[in-house]
Amino acid sequence: GQQLNQSPQSMFIQEGEDVSMNCTSSSIFNTWLWYKQDPGEGPVLLIALYKAGELTSNGRLTAQFGITRKDSFLNISASIPSDVGIYFCAGMNYGGSQGNLIFGKGTKLSVKP
Amino acid sequence: EAGVAQSPRYKIIEKRQSVAFWCNPISGHATLYWYQQILGQGPKLLIQFQNNGVVDDSQLPKDRFSAERLKGVDSTLKIQPAKLEDSAVYLCASSPGQGALSGYTFGSGTRLTVV
Repeated sequence: GQQLNQSPQSMFIQEGEDVSMNCTSSSIFNTWLWYKQDPGEGPVLLIALYKAGELTSNGRLTAQFGITRKDSFLNISASIPSDVGIYFCAGMNYGGSQGNLIFGKGTKLSVKP
Repeated sequence: EAGVAQSPRYKIIEKRQSVAFWCNPISGHATLYWYQQILGQGPKLLIQFQNNGVVDDSQLPKDRFSAERLKGVDSTLKIQPAKLEDSAVYLCASSPGQGALSGYTFGSGTRLTVV
């Protein structure tokens, strides 16, 4: 089945640092999504990307849809404490007959001690 | 707008017992999904409903898992009998229609522990 490889698995941030994470797939998607999940909650959509090469921002977050349609990255600039959580990439074949999301394993963002 | 409601929030059962989870999607959402999220992993789709019909249940372990969405609104997911490896968070999501990303919303999930 389709698999997404997300990296890094975890990272520590200090307030003000920039953060970068990425996701690669064994197959093509026509939609890439980035979610954040806080403890005890469901994933919340941060950014959706619909076209190969698309670069989209949402405040301090920027994500890009890779040209090959098999990868995507997410950058967070000037991190703040509330950025802590688990970030998931997800692929979807939008507009088709399915609509189910294929998720990566997540990148856990923690604060440096 | 009310979100996706799930209950219970937590459940602890012994292996071989049965358990049921309930989901109430956002009003008017035709598509409902059940995902299983094992600790340390991303959610994995178990079953997708369009109104009261099943669209995709290819990853549902049908020997022990069942789900229904009578009347195309609320849904229940049942496990009988439970195994230790069923310990996970069960997330319900709903969207206005198949492949509709706008409004695709997850509930807070039910955390199941099988001992």
